[in-house]
Amino acid sequence: AQSVTQPDIHITVSEGASLELRCNYSYGATPYLFWYVQSPGQGLQLLLKYFSGDTLVQGIKGFEAEFKRSQSSFNLRKPSVHWSDAAEYFCAGGLGTDKLIFGTGTRLQVFP
Amino acid sequence: KAGVTQTPRYLIKTRGQQVTLSCSPISGHRSVSWYQQTPGQGLQFLFEYFSETQRNKGNFPGRFSGRQFSNSRSEMNVSTLELGDSALYLCASKQGTNTEAFFGQGTRLTVV
Repeated sequence: AQSVTQPDIHITVSEGASLELRCNYSYGATPYLFWYVQSPGQGLQLLLKYFSGDTLVQGIKGFEAEFKRSQSSFNLRKPSVHWSDAAEYFCAGGLGTDKLIFGTGTRLQVFP
Repeated sequence: KAGVTQTPRYLIKTRGQQVTLSCSPISGHRSVSWYQQTPGQGLQFLFEYFSETQRNKGNFPGRFSGRQFSNSRSEMNVSTLELGDSALYLCASKQGTNTEAFFGQGTRLTVV
């Protein structure tokens, strides 16, 4: 069955530290991959997307993600975290007209 | 360009009642999808509409239904509400098949 896994439920980092959020996928073929961010009580904001081509994709707010086919991973990174980055992050996969399958989310807490 | 608009933002309903939620996609987007988000089950796909036709359906009971109008606006309806239907309902629109989905702010439904 198709699935997206985010192994880390909760991550805490200090402001200014680097960040890496993990995402693994299981699909019959390489899916389209996305990272979304959600603030409390809000909808999902698209951070970045991967369809094909360059495996390192740049997104908004200084985020980037690297697609690694050999590891079935699409990890999100940011070199220096800001307090405003505290939120919940969702990795999602999709194929064509198929639905998006979301991971369970990683809650990011940022300490000053 | 206006984003995805969902109305209302908040709803409180009583068990057994029915409810209709509305979603206006980004201008030019013909695909509208609905997702349910709960703390226990995470983000789950309800259905997708494209050009007024349901193209994909998730694993939800028949009490959950939807439709799309010729202007691409979509509504979802939940009949005979149950306490477990309390959730954040998110609508997403896409421009085409292999494109990213943009989400609205959601409708928070509380069933009492």
